[in-house]
Formats: sequence, C-alpha cells, structure tokens
Amino acid sequence: EAGVVQSPRYKIIEKKQPVAFWCNPISGHNTLYWYLQNLGQGPELLIRYENEEAVDDSQLPKDRFSAERLKGVDSTLKIQPAELGDSAVYLCASSSLTSNRPHFGSGTRLTVV
Amino acid sequence: GENVEQHPSTLSVQEGDSAVIKCTYSDSASNYFPWYKQELGKRPQLIIDIRSNVGEKKDQRIAVTLNKTAKHFSLHITETQPEDSAVYFCAASYGGTSYGKLTFGQGTILTVHP
Repeated sequence: EAGVVQSPRYKIIEKKQPVAFWCNPISGHNTLYWYLQNLGQGPELLIRYENEEAVDDSQLPKDRFSAERLKGVDSTLKIQPAELGDSAVYLCASSSLTSNRPHFGSGTRLTVV
Repeated sequence: GENVEQHPSTLSVQEGDSAVIKCTYSDSASNYFPWYKQELGKRPQLIIDIRSNVGEKKDQRIAVTLNKTAKHFSLHITETQPEDSAVYFCAASYGGTSYGKLTFGQGTILTVHP
C-alpha cells in the first residue's frame, strides 16, 4: 500500500508570511493526525481527525494555526502568520479502525527566517 | 495528561552488543506502547508495539517488555548492527477506536560502532 504522502518536503518562508502543508493519508484510513516535531525531540500531537471531524485539537495554537479535512480524506494544516519559533518538522499520520497503529508520513520541514 | 520519560538520551554500543532503552509513563490508563525508529531526515517507523494485556513481545532481534504496575516499558535490541543506528522513540497512548493520540518520549540516539 502507498504510505502517507506529505507535501512539500521542505519550505522556507519569511516570518509573518502564511504557509500551508498538505497530507494524503493511506487509503481507507479514517483517522488522521498532525504532529509537530522540534529538533531533537519527540513528535507532539497538534490535532486528530476522525473522518472529517476534529476530535482533539487541544494542542493546536488556534490564534495562528488552522486545519481542515473537508471530505474526510486529505488534510491541510495552515499557519498564518508564521513565527520564527514555528520552524520544525510537521508530520502527518493516519490509522485505520482495524489496525489502529498510526503510520507516519515523511513530514514537511519548515524553516522560518 | 500523559507524560513519558525516556532514558538514556544517547547510547553507544559495539556491534554485536545488546542495547536497552527504558521509558516510564504517568497515566495508568495508557494501554498501547509503540516504539519508533527514526533515521535522519526520515519518517518515524514503527518497529514494535505492545498492548497492556501483554507483558513481553519479541520480533527477531527486537523485544519489548511492559511492567504495568511500575508503569515502565523497555526496548531490547540484541546483536546490534551498524544499521540499527538511529533515534528511537517510545510512546504511550490510551485509545478505544484509535491508538494514535501518542505521547512520545524525548528520544534516544543509538550509535552502533562497527
């Protein structure tokens, strides 16, 4: 099966600019997650979707971050405006009801200058 | 919420030796404990996981043990090889329909010297 696909792989933007990341989960996986991974640390959950519903967004900084999964498949994570501290890797993962194990994408490495 | 502590932060071994990484968790409701291997610039890859109704699980050179009473679990790699060099993360979660709300440890950089 194809894995979780994320784009772009790398993004460099100036502070205060907007940025968006895209994720295509594994086919048939109803649960989708966005994680943030700072350098040298473990991933931290930002938001979790069950189909198109965000069931856990308690760690998402809602003043500047937003996410959507309109049709319950692909998802977009947006930051507006970006700050220097947002530089990190943004990982998307998905899982199915039968397996439950989350599978990660390769991530988008964001650099804010 | 859940808190996961992982030790050591770095581990250096000679090829063929064993490596052990330990994690503790705080939430007694957690029931799923995966281990991920992450090579530089790549995605975290699940290498083994264990659920709370099992005390030990083994897959070739890799094994995981779980002590629910003490709330700690460990990764054991035997006969290490240079390609085992990577960052290893433990994680814990509680889930009904999904185990994906993972809380990760800080990671262990494993270096296997030829």
